[in-house]
Amino acid sequence: AQSVTQLGSHVSVSEGALVLLRCNYSSSVPPYLFWYVQYPNQGLQLLLKYTSAATLVKGINGFEAEFKKSETSFHLTKPSAHMSDAAEYFCAVGAEGGSYIPTFGRGTSLIVHP
Amino acid sequence: DGGITQSPKYLFRKEGQNVTLSCEQNLNHDAMYWYRQDPGQGLRLIYYSQIVNDFQKGDIAEGYSVSREKKESFPLTVTSAQKNPTAFYLCASSIRQSQHSGNTIYFGEGSWLTVV
Repeated sequence: AQSVTQLGSHVSVSEGALVLLRCNYSSSVPPYLFWYVQYPNQGLQLLLKYTSAATLVKGINGFEAEFKKSETSFHLTKPSAHMSDAAEYFCAVGAEGGSYIPTFGRGTSLIVHP
Repeated sequence: DGGITQSPKYLFRKEGQNVTLSCEQNLNHDAMYWYRQDPGQGLRLIYYSQIVNDFQKGDIAEGYSVSREKKESFPLTVTSAQKNPTAFYLCASSIRQSQHSGNTIYFGEGSWLTVV
């Protein structure tokens, strides 16, 4: 079985500050890991995806995430927050075998202050 | 452009009525999904289908029904048995998850259902 935990339902940063959104996963086999972004009243859009090719994954809009097996983490970062980054962010984990359906975290709302 | 189209964007349901949410994709994906989203609860899987004429219950299937008669279409019916249907509903699709769940899931723009 696989699971994912997003620490913090809300994260607040100032414009220009570092963004750090935390995601920890549980999987008995090597995982596939995803970060999605959701703007108000819209569907989810893929930010980036880890598939074991490289531990540091670069995504769209300046976001990146690092896979750390020893910490079972896949935290999302961005060096400098923009007002337009304000949105809901979801971490998801998939794996070999099992139900073949990725499991989503509960989401973290990113608030960006001017 | 390829994508997933959900309609309507906003729908109002009276008590005791069934309503159907439409989902169409032109990505040539075999797998399709329906999720329900409530504030603070993330995404919850209602139904999914890996292939035409086959579908499986997700975590919260009670009060919902689906059909998969065509590859590109996966409509969701919210029945009167669903006691608390007010939510944001997301349709999604992907390449068939045959041996792992690592294929990217693509989402539609969502539909708001409100009980009046």
